[in-house]
Amino acid sequence: EDQVTQSPEALRLQEGESSSLNCSYTVSGLRGLFWYRQDPGKGPEFLFTLYSAGEEKEKERLKATLTKKESFLHITAPKPEDSATYLCAVQAKAGTALIFGKGTTLSVSS
Amino acid sequence: DTGVSQDPRHKITKRGQNVTFRCDPISEHNRLYWYRQTLGQGPEFLTYFQNEAQLEKSRLLSDRFSAERPKGSFSTLEIQRTEQGDSAMYLCASSSQKERNQPQHFGDGTRLSIL
Repeated sequence: EDQVTQSPEALRLQEGESSSLNCSYTVSGLRGLFWYRQDPGKGPEFLFTLYSAGEEKEKERLKATLTKKESFLHITAPKPEDSATYLCAVQAKAGTALIFGKGTTLSVSS
Repeated sequence: DTGVSQDPRHKITKRGQNVTFRCDPISEHNRLYWYRQTLGQGPEFLTYFQNEAQLEKSRLLSDRFSAERPKGSFSTLEIQRTEQGDSAMYLCASSSQKERNQPQHFGDGTRLSIL
């Protein structure tokens, strides 16, 4: 069964304190792995797509990496505005649906 | 560039009533998806349209749920005889076959509360 597990569930950081979020997955043939950001009361906002092991994508303070079993979202020198829930999802080659993890809720305090 | 639009943003109804939600995808996006999200969980897939054809339905989509996309543009999701367990955020997403990495872009959802 295709599955996504994210850890930790919640993460509290001080402004400027870098860290990483983990996304472990099992999928029958990976078409793509997606990272989204979700603010309270809003829909998920697309961040990155990764397709193959070794691939990396960057956007401002965020960097996503992918291996055959997991993905990491690295946050460098975070700011309070980076506070949100970060969702990881996979899409299998045989399907169109995104299979989401439960997310990691990040809180960054100044 | 307008994003995915959903209406209403909030819906409160009594158990047993029928409700209908609307989704307007990003223009020229031919693929449209419905998901459901409950508190503390990630979105769960419900159904998928390519143009006006409904090509995939999740086992989560009971026979009380029906979705349409009559002209391949906007879509509606109807829930009949609502139950307490239907309380959730209903999210719509769209994507384009032409876009290279085909990410799904989400609207801000309709929050359904069943009294």
